[in-house]
Amino acid sequence: AQKITQTQPGMFVQEKEAVTLDCTYDTSDPSYGLFWYKQPSSGEMIFLIYQGSYDQQNATEGRYSLNFQKARKSANLVISASQLGDSAMYFCAMREWGSGGSNYKLTFGKGTLLTVNP
Amino acid sequence: DSGVTQTPKHLITATGQRVTLRCSPRSGDLSVYWYQQSLDQGLQFLIQYYNGEERAKGNILERFSAQQFPDLHSELNLSSLELGDSALYFCASSVAGDLGNEQFFGPGTRLTVL
Repeated sequence: AQKITQTQPGMFVQEKEAVTLDCTYDTSDPSYGLFWYKQPSSGEMIFLIYQGSYDQQNATEGRYSLNFQKARKSANLVISASQLGDSAMYFCAMREWGSGGSNYKLTFGKGTLLTVNP
Repeated sequence: DSGVTQTPKHLITATGQRVTLRCSPRSGDLSVYWYQQSLDQGLQFLIQYYNGEERAKGNILERFSAQQFPDLHSELNLSSLELGDSALYFCASSVAGDLGNEQFFGPGTRLTVL
């Protein structure tokens, strides 16, 4: 079964509008972390935001916020006031605590390609 | 700039050959991860090293191997290369002290096997 599901292969948004990128996850581990990364066309992976499974409040980082709904196992990324430079591939990822907590590998979704139109 | 360096940036080689990808983690990071990104498989975890020791293995082929040296840099060795090994290979590093530590990714090595 897919651990991270991103159902939107592509999304379009007008400049200055907000957009939500969907992410659902599957885990039985009570301790986990959820991450969003941005990959522009140049290829590098840029960390955007993190949400821990025990965090009471939704994470925010500038124009990025994470809409964390634990019961629904969703961790959607909200980008406010979109800019042309936001056009990129966006990946949702999860890290599970697992046994011992020493394995910190990330499991990635397939990504959503966001295009911001002027 | 994440502070993680990878060399080379691009690599073009032929089937059957062997290549070595190199990664230097951020200063102070003990953990190094290797990921492969391909069109059909997406981003996949290959292997993790922590302070010189192998800590976890993912979908890494037997033709691939890695190591982390005392100075904490890491190398990923790919041998008997096949066309399907063409991909973007990322190295990432983290402090590995906390579940919430983000992994900082290097710029990647784009491998093309002809």
